[in-house]
Amino acid sequence: KQEVTQIPAALSVPEGENLVLNCSFTDSAIYNLQWFRQDPGKGLTSLLLIQSSQREQTSGRLNASLDKSSGRSTLYIAASQPGDSATYLCAVKYSGGSNYKLTFGKGTLLTVNP
Amino acid sequence: NAGVTQTPKFQVLKTGQSMTLQCAQDMNHNSMYWYRQDPGMGLRLIYYSASEGTTDKGEVPNGYNVSRLNKREFSLRLESAAPSQTSVYFCASGASSYNEQFFGPGTRLTVL
Repeated sequence: KQEVTQIPAALSVPEGENLVLNCSFTDSAIYNLQWFRQDPGKGLTSLLLIQSSQREQTSGRLNASLDKSSGRSTLYIAASQPGDSATYLCAVKYSGGSNYKLTFGKGTLLTVNP
Repeated sequence: NAGVTQTPKFQVLKTGQSMTLQCAQDMNHNSMYWYRQDPGMGLRLIYYSASEGTTDKGEVPNGYNVSRLNKREFSLRLESAAPSQTSVYFCASGASSYNEQFFGPGTRLTVL
C-alpha cells in the first residue's frame, strides 16, 4: 500500500533554532513530492514542489530534499520564527497507474516559541 | 489573482438535506480536485477532473457527485447528507495532473 508517514507528529522549538521535518514514503516510484503549510482553520499553502529527478528545492529559509532510494524527504527550516508555527504536510504523487492523486501524510504540528 | 475560491465557508445541514459546494480558480488550470480532511485520516481525494469535460472518482466518492461546469468551476454535490460527511472540504487546482496543486480556503460542513 502506498503510504506517507510524517514523524514526529508534533515538534516544539525555541525561536531561532534550525529544524528538520521528516517525511517517508513506501514506494520509490514517485512523480513528485510537495510540502504544504496549513494554519489552524485555513487551507493548504504550497511551500515547495520537488520533481522525482531533483534532489532538493529551496525557497527563502526553506530547503526540501528528496532521496527516492531511501523513500525520504526532509524539510529544513532555518532560523525558525514564531510565524512558522503551523502544521506541515508532505504529499507524494506516485507514478504509474492513476497518477492524478496526491497521497498525504498526517502532518507535523510545529510550534516555535518566542 | 484570487487563486482558488470556495463557497460557502461554513454550512450546517440536517441529515438528508442536499447542497452544492462551489469552487472556482482563476489560474487557467486544467486539473481540479475535491478533497476532504478529517481528524486522524488526513486529506483524501473525493473526485477530480483532469481537464474540462472529464471527471473521475478518487478514494472516497460514495455519497458525492461533481460537475466540471467549465474550465474555471468545479462543484461538489451532496445529494442526501449524512453525519459521516461532516468534514472540511478543500478544492484544489493544478496546471495538469502532474503539476503543483493549489488549495482553496475550505468549506467546514456539519451534518446533524
